[in-house]
Amino acid sequence: GQQLNQSPQSMFIQEGEDVSMNCTSSSIFNTWLWYKQDPGEGPVLLIALYKAGELTSNGRLTAQFGTTRKDSFLNISASIPSDVGIYFCAGLNTGGFKTIFGAGTRLFVKA
Amino acid sequence: DAGITQSPRYKITETGRQVTLMCHQTWSHSYMFWYRQDLGHGLRLIYYSAAADITDKGEVPDGYVVSRSKTENFPLTLESATRSQTSVYFCATSLPSGTYEQYFGPGTRLTVT
Repeated sequence: GQQLNQSPQSMFIQEGEDVSMNCTSSSIFNTWLWYKQDPGEGPVLLIALYKAGELTSNGRLTAQFGTTRKDSFLNISASIPSDVGIYFCAGLNTGGFKTIFGAGTRLFVKA
Repeated sequence: DAGITQSPRYKITETGRQVTLMCHQTWSHSYMFWYRQDLGHGLRLIYYSAAADITDKGEVPDGYVVSRSKTENFPLTLESATRSQTSVYFCATSLPSGTYEQYFGPGTRLTVT
C-alpha cells in the first residue's frame, strides 16, 4: 500500500531555532496535510495544501506542496517551548477520504 | 459543545474478550473514521464511514468490526482481542466536501493482556 516516509524521526532544538521536516512518498497525492499532536490528545490540523507548488503559512509555520506531488515540507520559525509535540504529514487523493499518515516527527524544544 | 467524545479513555482487557470502543460526535459530520496509533507507524486507518449504514475498510481492518446505525455514533468492536491490538485508538470526523480536514477525538488507550 501507499506509505509516507517522514523525517527526521525526532529533533532536539534550542528555543528560537528554526525547524524543517519533510515527507516523501512513492505515490502521488492531490492533498497534503500537516497535523500536530500534543501529549495525550488527538492530532490537530495545522496546514492543508491542495495544489502542487503551493506554499502556505499559518503563523510561524510554513508548509509546501512539492512540485512532483510526492513530497511536502514543514518549517517552523523561531521555535518556542509550546511547539513540542509530534508533527504528522498526511496525504490523500481527492474523491476519497482514505488518508495516509507518516510516522511522525517528535519535536523537543529546550528553553 | 462536546465535539467528539470517546469512551472509555482507558481499557485493559484479556486476550479473546470482545471489546467495544465508543465514538460520539455532536457536529453531524458525515464522515467518521477509526485509526490506531502505534509507535513507529503513525496513524493507520482501520475503518471509515461516509454516512449512517455506509462503512468501508481502511488499511488495517482485520480483527475489527464497525457499525453506524446513527450519524452521531461509530462504535468499533474487537471481536476477540489479541495482544497485537494493544494500541491507542482515535476516532475522527470530517465534513463531506472541500477541505478534507479531520477532527480527532482524545483517544482510547487499549491494553490487551
